[in-house]
Amino acid sequence: QSALTQPASVSGSPGQSITISCTGTSSDVGGYNYVSWYQQHPGKAPKLMIYDVSNRPSGVSNRFSGSKSGNTASLTISGLQAEDEADYYCSSYTSSSTQVFGTGTKVTVL
Amino acid sequence: QVTLKESGPALVKPTQTLTLTCTFSGFSLSTSGMRVSWIRQPPGKALEWLARIDWDDDKFYSTSLKTRLTISKDTSKNQVVLTMTNMDPVDTATYYCARHYALGAFDYWGQGTLVTVSS
Repeated sequence: QSALTQPASVSGSPGQSITISCTGTSSDVGGYNYVSWYQQHPGKAPKLMIYDVSNRPSGVSNRFSGSKSGNTASLTISGLQAEDEADYYCSSYTSSSTQVFGTGTKVTVL
Repeated sequence: QVTLKESGPALVKPTQTLTLTCTFSGFSLSTSGMRVSWIRQPPGKALEWLARIDWDDDKFYSTSLKTRLTISKDTSKNQVVLTMTNMDPVDTATYYCARHYALGAFDYWGQGTLVTVSS
């Protein structure tokens, strides 16, 4: 199972919106609505930000939103804030009943 | 309140077998729909899913590592155990256990435990 493809880095100024893509195949991202997104600050465990493509867990800011088109999922962060600077990972359920993570994206707030 | 905590050796030698234990609270792995996975992250690198065990004792493994991995659970102790054989320096990583939210997401994570493979 190959890792899902994410851009290595994305940056934006405070208040702007950014979008992170996550590209897989019809055997993972494209085949199931089980895409999730995680935020990870240095030295910390990942935190669930989006599940089932576009749902936010309780307590996650509504500045975070998710979507999917075909084999590509996306995470959008609107109203970018300094605290959003972190690494972000997507994940998907697969046709083998396993999970696969993305390559990770470093978000920089300029 | 759901919590998970990983435990195991911080240092293992090449070719040895690694045994990690995930001790959790706030849920039961005998409850229908519950699942726990192991995930690792080499220093400075991406997350990698390793294995999952379900409430009904179904087990699933990473295709690339399945010959080296064994996952098991002790429901009475609220523990999930992962063993990885034939450890190599490239297996140096922080190992996390995480609870699944349904199939597709990990809603609670342990703090992680760093395992270094070195002679």
